[in-house]
Amino acid sequence: DAGVIQSPRHEVTEMGQEVTLRCKPISGHNSLFWYRQTMMRGLELLIYFNNNVPIDDSGMPEDRFSAKMPNASFSTLKIQPSEPRDSAVYFCASSLAVQPQHFGDGTRLSIL
Amino acid sequence: QKEVEQNSGPLSVPEGAIASLNCTYSDRGSQSFFWYRQYSGKSPELIMFIYSNGDKEDGRFTAQLNKASQYVSLLIRDSQPSDSATYLCAVIKPEGNEKLTFGTGTRLTIIP
Repeated sequence: DAGVIQSPRHEVTEMGQEVTLRCKPISGHNSLFWYRQTMMRGLELLIYFNNNVPIDDSGMPEDRFSAKMPNASFSTLKIQPSEPRDSAVYFCASSLAVQPQHFGDGTRLSIL
Repeated sequence: QKEVEQNSGPLSVPEGAIASLNCTYSDRGSQSFFWYRQYSGKSPELIMFIYSNGDKEDGRFTAQLNKASQYVSLLIRDSQPSDSATYLCAVIKPEGNEKLTFGTGTRLTIIP
């Protein structure tokens, strides 16, 4: 079975540019989560969706970050404008109901 | 006080010995508890979850939960070099829904 699929795997861009990260959850899963991981802060939940509806976005750092889930098989996390402090690994995870979450391989983002 | 606390390590254990990883949490009503393993440069991988007080065994892994003392632990028997990784403890807090709160992880090294 296909797991959570994220793209791109790596992204290097200059400060001020728009960055879009993509995620395809496991088929049949109804919850989707976006995380950010850094050495300093560890793994932080940014936002999560249930049945395509954003439930909790309290972890979104600021207005430069936005996330959408237009359908059950696709979500995006957008940063505009990007800043060097946004450099991190961004993970997407999905789950079914209250079952454990399964993570994608992540996107390693570097903002120069 | 951090919501989920782990000793960052590194924890060094000889091959074949038992590795013991500990995690404490602050919210007494926390409901569900998870252990994820993360190899360097990879995504978190679920290895155990536990919901009730006591022990839960799966192969070489045993999760132990003590809600009265607010700690959860992971024991790895017959440690192998391939067990060398960072182990992340995660909990679902009393307000429920599906949000995972992660500890910062314990880095485990198995010495051949």
